Amino acid sequence: DVKVTQSSRYLVKRTGEKVFLECVQDMDHENMFWYRQDPGLGLRLIYFSYDVKMKEKGDIPEGYSVSREKKERFSLILESASTNQTSMYLCASKKTGAGGYEQYFGPGTRLTVT
Amino acid sequence: TQLLEQSPQFLSIQEGENLTVYCNSSSVFSSLQWYRQEPGEGPVLLVTVVTGGEVKKLKRLTFQFGDARKDSSLHITAAQPGDTGLYLCAGAGYGGATNKLIFGTGTLLAVQP
Repeated sequence: DVKVTQSSRYLVKRTGEKVFLECVQDMDHENMFWYRQDPGLGLRLIYFSYDVKMKEKGDIPEGYSVSREKKERFSLILESASTNQTSMYLCASKKTGAGGYEQYFGPGTRLTVT
Repeated sequence: TQLLEQSPQFLSIQEGENLTVYCNSSSVFSSLQWYRQEPGEGPVLLVTVVTGGEVKKLKRLTFQFGDARKDSSLHITAAQPGDTGLYLCAGAGYGGATNKLIFGTGTLLAVQP
């Protein structure tokens, strides 16, 4: 059974703190993604990675960075958290290649920045 | 930037009713997926449609990909409370963009018993 896990389900941080969100997948997928989900806006892509140490900006990368040192792990970093980064953060993974269209999602981390 | 608009944004119906959710774009996609997300969980894939005009059925759910590959619809027959959730469509681009998905704005469905 495929699995994507995220380090925390709920997180409360203060403005200006550095925040780390961790994601681990056990499917040996090449691609991993970080999204944020806000009501009425759907899922917006922050960053994705197609290989170890490789990353590409998504649609809303400002204020975020990522790290992928191992194939199974993809971290999202908020360098200095701000209240407008309060959101649901979803991690996903996907295999590359023919038929590899499906993205598998973790349960999400609901981050509140006060 | 490619955009996928879903309608309606919210839908509250009684058990047994039929409904249709629409997903529209001005962009062409190589494939289109539908996901359902339940509260407190991540989205889960329901179906992928790849060919223009394709129709796929999943029990009481019928999915259609538009002939021009710019739009899709999800029809639910005889809705049940278990169908409650957020429905998201997502389109994939061509070539190197197939790894990324563009997600729709979502349709929140509530089926009352």
